[in-house]
Amino acid sequence: RKEVEQDPGPFNVPEGATVAFNCTYSNSASQSFFWYRQDCRKEPKLLMSVYSSGNEDGRFTAQLNRASQYISLLIRDSKLSDSATYLCVVTGPGGSYIPTFGRGTSLIVHP
Amino acid sequence: DVKVTQSSRYLVKRTGEKVFLECVQDMDHENMFWYRQDPGLGLRLIYFSYDVKMKEKGDIPEGYSVSREKKERFSLILESASTNQTSMYLCASLAAGGGNQPQHFGDGTRLSIL
Repeated sequence: RKEVEQDPGPFNVPEGATVAFNCTYSNSASQSFFWYRQDCRKEPKLLMSVYSSGNEDGRFTAQLNRASQYISLLIRDSKLSDSATYLCVVTGPGGSYIPTFGRGTSLIVHP
Repeated sequence: DVKVTQSSRYLVKRTGEKVFLECVQDMDHENMFWYRQDPGLGLRLIYFSYDVKMKEKGDIPEGYSVSREKKERFSLILESASTNQTSMYLCASLAAGGGNQPQHFGDGTRLSIL
């Protein structure tokens, strides 16, 4: 079983829609969680960290559910420019700092 | 702001050549990583380094080696390039004790082996 799993999609949504992605992780002792965004043929860029209490950055909301071992990313009022692949990243446990990447979820926002 | 710089955006080499990919970071990070990314396979860790002259194998080290002679520079070496090493190569850096810190990536090198 892969350590970090994501639905590859693609999620095809109209502008203005709300879309949510989930990511499950297998190691219950994982410590840190991130969402990255990767545009086609570009490098991954940090979108946001995911905190235990959940956090929001503009139209983006990230949540962590430790009991069920998943993190989520909610995008409200989707823009064409949100089209990208969203990578879930998990780090830990303990002193391990080697991140584990999901394979990404593809989002296509159309007019 | 962290800057991770990879020496080439695009590179074309021939089978059997020795290929060097260079990566430099300017934030004094202890940890540096090399990944390759292929369609449908996501990012796969080749090697990482947690200090100067220190290196650890990742998930797919075969056919590669690395060098970390200075803290800011981490080089990936393809000893004898083969066509199955055609890929996007990504370098990343991370601060010490970086469990709560995100990695920072370079722009990537698209390597084609003919």
